[in-house]
Amino acid sequence: DVKVTQSSRYLVKRTGEKVFLECVQDMDHENMFWYRQDPGLGLRLIYFSYDVKMKEKGDIPEGYSVSREKKERFSLILESASTNQTSMYLCASRRTGGNQPQHFGDGTRLSIL
Amino acid sequence: QKEVEQDPGPLSVPEGAIVSLNCTYSNSAFQYFMWYRQYSRKGPELLMYTYSSGNKEDGRFTAQVDKSSKYISLFIRDSQPSDSATYLCAAYTGGFKTIFGAGTRLFVKA
Repeated sequence: DVKVTQSSRYLVKRTGEKVFLECVQDMDHENMFWYRQDPGLGLRLIYFSYDVKMKEKGDIPEGYSVSREKKERFSLILESASTNQTSMYLCASRRTGGNQPQHFGDGTRLSIL
Repeated sequence: QKEVEQDPGPLSVPEGAIVSLNCTYSNSAFQYFMWYRQYSRKGPELLMYTYSSGNKEDGRFTAQVDKSSKYISLFIRDSQPSDSATYLCAAYTGGFKTIFGAGTRLFVKA
């Protein structure tokens, strides 16, 4: 079974802090993704990475950056946290290729005070 | 217009009922279609995965894709209280980006 592990289930931070969310997958997947999920808005793609050190902006990259130094690990960074970044953050991974669905971690519920 | 539209519900049914969950999509280039189940405070879990048109069955679950009408369906037979969750439909062309519906909340009452 695919295992995608997010380092924290719940996180509380203050505005202006630099926040790191970590994600690790154990299936040697090439592609990794960060989403945020908000009521009524569904899943919105923040960034994705198709290989080590490669990254692409998603639909809502403003205020975020990412890092992928190793194949199994994909980090999301909130450069200066703001209250509108309070959300559920979901990491996903998949193998490259057309016939490969994404597999998700259990999410990090982040509150910015 | 969103590329994948899904009624948010909630949908409430009695135990044992047949549940029908539906999505429509606008991009005719979509080839791969998925259904995810998401329990409260958990991540989405891949439930069903189909390629192109047709039906796929797995136990009590049947996924159906009609590309001519751009319609995606998930049927749950003999629904159980443990099926209570949010169900997300999703589609992609074969590239990197998957487009998700907003999810339908389902409640199965015992």
